[in-house]
Amino acid sequence: AQRVTQPEKLLSVFKGAPVELKCNYSYSGSPELFWYVQYSRQRLQLLLRHISRESIKGFTADLNKGETSFHLKKPFAQEEDSAMYYCALSAITGGGNKLTFGTGTQLKVEL
Amino acid sequence: KAGVTQTPRYLIKTRGQQVTLSCSPISGHRSVSWYQQTPGQGLQFLFEYFSETQRNKGNFPGRFSGRQFSNSRSEMNVSTLELGDSALYLCASTATSGSSYNEQFFGPGTRLTVL
Repeated sequence: AQRVTQPEKLLSVFKGAPVELKCNYSYSGSPELFWYVQYSRQRLQLLLRHISRESIKGFTADLNKGETSFHLKKPFAQEEDSAMYYCALSAITGGGNKLTFGTGTQLKVEL
Repeated sequence: KAGVTQTPRYLIKTRGQQVTLSCSPISGHRSVSWYQQTPGQGLQFLFEYFSETQRNKGNFPGRFSGRQFSNSRSEMNVSTLELGDSALYLCASTATSGSSYNEQFFGPGTRLTVL
């Protein structure tokens, strides 16, 4: 079974401060990890995935298999970063795939 | 490319009724997944269809079912509705080749309210 844990329901930071959204996972195989973001009144959208190793909107995330973590980081928070962030794991099973989501972290960037 | 579309966007039903939700994936995507989103349980996987076959199923009762048509459009059905079925139902289509391989694109959801 796979599990994704996001320990913080709400994270409040000031504009310009560093941001770290925590994500830990449990999975016996090789996972693919994602961060999805949902801005107010918008649909859920992919922010980044670990295999692409990209920085999107200044956010980065590194898969740490030893600590089974995939924390999302940004050095300087912007007001437009305020949103709901979900960490998700994809496990390829039986030729298909599904996403297991964490409970989400609401990021609030204050001026 | 047009995004994932879901109809209807809002639905109100009463306990015991059944409901059918529809999802049109991005053109060329052959995999469609369904999720239930509630404040208490968060986002939970319902099932996935690929080429008209169910490939994966989550831990939901048999009242929840789905199907996929030859044009990749998908429907999900919930029979004998219960109050706890009130939720936002999200559909996602997945690219099975190319640079967006295995990336799920989400629709806006159908908000189901059971009274």
